[in-house]
Parts: sequence; structure tokens; C-alpha cells
Amino acid sequence: NAGVTQTPKFQVLKTGQSMTLQCAQDMNHEYMSWYRQDPGMGLRLIHYSVGAGITDQGEVPNGYNVSRSTTEDFPLRLLSAAPSQTSVYFCASSWGDFGETQYFGPGTRLLVL
Amino acid sequence: AQSVTQLGSHVSVSEGALVLLRCNYSSSVPPYLFWYVQYPNQGLQLLLKYTSAATLVKGINGFEAEFKKSETSFHLTKPSAHMSDAAEYFCAVRNQAGTALIFGKGTTLSVSS
Repeated sequence: NAGVTQTPKFQVLKTGQSMTLQCAQDMNHEYMSWYRQDPGMGLRLIHYSVGAGITDQGEVPNGYNVSRSTTEDFPLRLLSAAPSQTSVYFCASSWGDFGETQYFGPGTRLLVL
Repeated sequence: AQSVTQLGSHVSVSEGALVLLRCNYSSSVPPYLFWYVQYPNQGLQLLLKYTSAATLVKGINGFEAEFKKSETSFHLTKPSAHMSDAAEYFCAVRNQAGTALIFGKGTTLSVSS
């Protein structure tokens, strides 16, 4: 099993550009989520999904969009990138809700100029 | 609302010394508590979790944590540090609705020879 995979590993954007961060898991997990990690801030939840077709907002959803058309994939879209979105983004998945073990991807490092 | 506080953003120990990383939580309901570890340039990996069973929880790589309700603490310990333990450690608590995992700001552990 590949587990949770994320692409790209690193991306540089200009302010106002849009892009999609990809996340896929091959463990048939129902729950998937996106976090951003900033120095001294820990991880903060952006959006999550409890199954195909069902998504909800986390703590810091503004400027991000998600959809979940399949169990395996959970892309994160930046509609109009801003320097404040410079961060490391992690995707995670789990069998059940957030009381279950979260399996994290390796992360995407995003720099917005 | 649930929250966690990690005391000390940076802890340094010598190889072979005791490791103690502190975490205090706030929760109005019996908490689900977790410790995750992040090695450089990698995603997070579960070390151990408390889900209202035994108060002393054993995890991977020789780590353990004790849930103390009276002190609202869930400190992480390891009797003898190894160089490979150098990483960032995050304490986390599930929110009451099960719709989020709330992370502390992290503690960086350095191990010197």
C-alpha cells in the first residue's frame, strides 16, 4: 500500500494564481482531511470529508475549496493564492472520525510570492 | 471547547537521558488524546493514543504517556533518549463532536551525544 500520497512536493505561486493540491489514499478510508502547518502554530484543520460527496469546513477554511467525488481522492483548491497561504499542507485519512488514528501524507510545501 | 497546551517549544536532552514532553488539555468531556511525531521533512506519525481505557498508554519506539485527569495532563516520556528520537512532537485532542483534531503548537526534541 502506498498509504496517503500528495502531489506536488513543492510549489511556488504568484499572488492571485490558482492551483490544486492533490491527495490520494489507497486504504479505503472514509475520513479525509487537510491541514496547514505554520511555524509555532501546530497543525490547523482546513477542510475535511466524511465520505464521497460530503465535505465540511475546519478551523481555517477561507481561501480554500474542496470536493470529494471518490473515496480515494480529496483535492484542495486555492482559488486565488495569497502570501498568507504560504505554508506546508498535509493531507490525512482515517477509518472513522478524528478519534481514530490519522494517517498523514508527506506534505506539500507551498510558497506564494 | 477542547484545547491542548504543550509546555516548552524546545527540549534538549543528552543521549540516554529521560525524555519528558509536557501536554495539558482542556475538555468538558472524557478526552481522546494523541501524541504524534514528525521527523524532518516528513508527515506526522502516531506515537500513541488514549481513548479512556488504561491510563498508562504505551506507544511505539519505547514512548509512553500517562493520562492524569486530576492534573488534566498527558505527558509523554521515554526512559532513555536515542539520537533517532530527535523530531517534533505534537499533542492533540479530538473535539467533542469528533469533527476535528486539535493540535498543540509542538515541541522540538533535540538529542545530543
